[in-house]
Amino acid sequence: EVQLVESGGGLVQPGGSLRLSCAASGFKFSSYEMSWVRQAPGRGLEWVSYISTRGTTIYYADSVKGRFTISRDNAKNSVYLQMNSLRAEDTAVYYCARDDLYGAESFDFWGQGTLVTVSS
Amino acid sequence: QSVLTQPRSVSGSPGQSITISCTGTSSDVGRYNYVSWYQQHPDKAPKLMIYGVDNRPSGVPNRFSGSKSGNTASLTISGLQAEDEADYYCCSYVGSPHWVFGGGTKLTVL
Repeated sequence: EVQLVESGGGLVQPGGSLRLSCAASGFKFSSYEMSWVRQAPGRGLEWVSYISTRGTTIYYADSVKGRFTISRDNAKNSVYLQMNSLRAEDTAVYYCARDDLYGAESFDFWGQGTLVTVSS
Repeated sequence: QSVLTQPRSVSGSPGQSITISCTGTSSDVGRYNYVSWYQQHPDKAPKLMIYGVDNRPSGVPNRFSGSKSGNTASLTISGLQAEDEADYYCCSYVGSPHWVFGGGTKLTVL
């Protein structure tokens, strides 16, 4: 069974940092590109960051560029999101999502998400 | 403000058909055949329903179909069922890679 399990969310003050983790199981993790997508409370989805299978190609949304860092450890079947200089507008549920192997640039499986709240 | 425009809400009775539109530009929906649709029930993770404009993943009922014309993509659900009530999001690949989403449409089954 395919599983993506996020962890590391919580309450943090503005300007603080958090590191999110996403543990994958049930599939060959090293063969899949991965992304993080977030959803602010009551709002829509926003793509945040992408990492290639070997971690050599990385992209960020403009809203997080320079503050967030994505990485992966294929030996541990995990992808991470280091979030620094957090702002109130970063408050959201953060999902890790698996990029499809259809070649169609979609996200074919999502984790249940972890909530990040940035507030003083 | 989302990059792709969707109606805030649509509704239909059981058995009927509904269509949700997703309007972008020539830089996203109009440029790439990489439009996907996601279903999200309250407090649940999104689920892929359509990829590559008009393809269904294994396990998604054939009541769900997708299409695209110019800068507008559409999701059609035929034979509405109560369990179809959810939020639906469109998404377009925009190169680099980057992705943009619509603001979401709340489907109510009357």
